Amino acid sequence: QVHLVESGGGVVQPGGSLTLSCAASGFTFSTYGMHWVRQAPGKGLEWVAFMRSDGSSKYYADSVKDRFTISRDNSKNTLYLQMNSLRAEDTALYYCAKDLYSHYPDYWGQGTQVTVSS
Amino acid sequence: QSVVTQPPSASGTPGQRVTISCSGSSSNIGSNYVYWYQHLPGTAPKLLIYRNNQRPSGVPDRFSGSKSGTSASLAISGLRSEDEADYYCAAWDDSLSGLVFGGGTKLTVL
Repeated sequence: QVHLVESGGGVVQPGGSLTLSCAASGFTFSTYGMHWVRQAPGKGLEWVAFMRSDGSSKYYADSVKDRFTISRDNSKNTLYLQMNSLRAEDTALYYCAKDLYSHYPDYWGQGTQVTVSS
Repeated sequence: QSVVTQPPSASGTPGQRVTISCSGSSSNIGSNYVYWYQHLPGTAPKLLIYRNNQRPSGVPDRFSGSKSGTSASLAISGLRSEDEADYYCAAWDDSLSGLVFGGGTKLTVL
């Protein structure tokens, strides 16, 4: 059974940094791409980033490009999202999700809350 | 404002059939698969339809998807109270090199 657990969320000041983690189990992590998706308060789902299984390709939403970095450690079955230069508009519930058939999520975690506020 | 458009709301009574539309462009829906997700805010979204019209195991056949050109739709037949949720379509966008979600449709079961 696929299990994804996000952690690392919290309250951070504008301009600050935060690193999210996603611990994966129940599937062969090293053979699947992974996503980060977020939902701001009262808003819809917004895709943030995707990384292929071997790390060969990474894709980012324009809203986070050059500020966020997706990475993974296949030896630890863990996905990361390094977030720099955080803005108030980055406030959201951040989900990690397993990829199904290249570029589309199937299983999702419960999310971790990130609040950017002074 | 998303590049993929959904109606913000839809409603129906128990037992009815409702459809939710999803409109995009040649760079997303017109050239890539459409996926549908069911989401109760604060919980993990659930995959309902993949590759336009395929249902994952465990998803009732009351849910069906279709795609034509740059539009897609999700149909829910035999509406039930537990279907009340937010529904999102998604498609990869070749111009943006990213996944785009529709704005979401809040389904109310009256």
